[in-house]
Amino acid sequence: QKEVEQDPGPLSVPEGAIVSLNCTYSNSAFQYFMWYRQYSRKGPELLMYTYSSGNKEDGRFTAQVDKSSKYISLFIRDSQPSDSATYLCPSYGNNRLAFGKGNQVVVIP
Amino acid sequence: GAVVSQHPSRVICKSGTSVKIECRSLDFQATTMFWYRQFPKKSLMLMATSNEGSKATYEQGVEKDKFLINHASLTLSTLTVTSAHPEDSSFYICSATTQGQPQHFGDGTRLSIL
Repeated sequence: QKEVEQDPGPLSVPEGAIVSLNCTYSNSAFQYFMWYRQYSRKGPELLMYTYSSGNKEDGRFTAQVDKSSKYISLFIRDSQPSDSATYLCPSYGNNRLAFGKGNQVVVIP
Repeated sequence: GAVVSQHPSRVICKSGTSVKIECRSLDFQATTMFWYRQFPKKSLMLMATSNEGSKATYEQGVEKDKFLINHASLTLSTLTVTSAHPEDSSFYICSATTQGQPQHFGDGTRLSIL
């Protein structure tokens, strides 16, 4: 069983829409949650990270963690074509990250 | 934010050549650096973990004699692909971190072996 499950998409939305991405994780010991964005042929870029349940906001991005449900979400408001990328929510353990394929998002102008 | 620089961004070379890739943390001291490999439309796969001044720890299935890693300073790690062959063609990405901080990634090196 994978430690983090993520729907690979692709998810296509019109410009200006809200993008909603979700990951579920199986290990209740996880204490550290993060979202990365990866453009084609580039390395992942850290978007947000948090240690606790609840919401964390940064500009148009909101990360939501629900430890009781083992669920993490990323919301992108007022989506732009430049948000078209793959979004990754790796699991973290033993000082290492384990990545899935991520959520591919396409924002259509 | 933290900046990690990776060089070169693109390498094309003949089979049998050795290739060195550099990873630098530009604005912080990285106690740990990681090397990943990513094939097209696949997820990032961790190859090895490198702590400054120590030997790298390789993941299962990664040949340590083929992928030489050196982490001689807190800002520089290098990956050398020795005697590269076409099956080594891939996208190699490094990341760097320091105590209690998330990993920050370089922009990757696209390696093509002819």
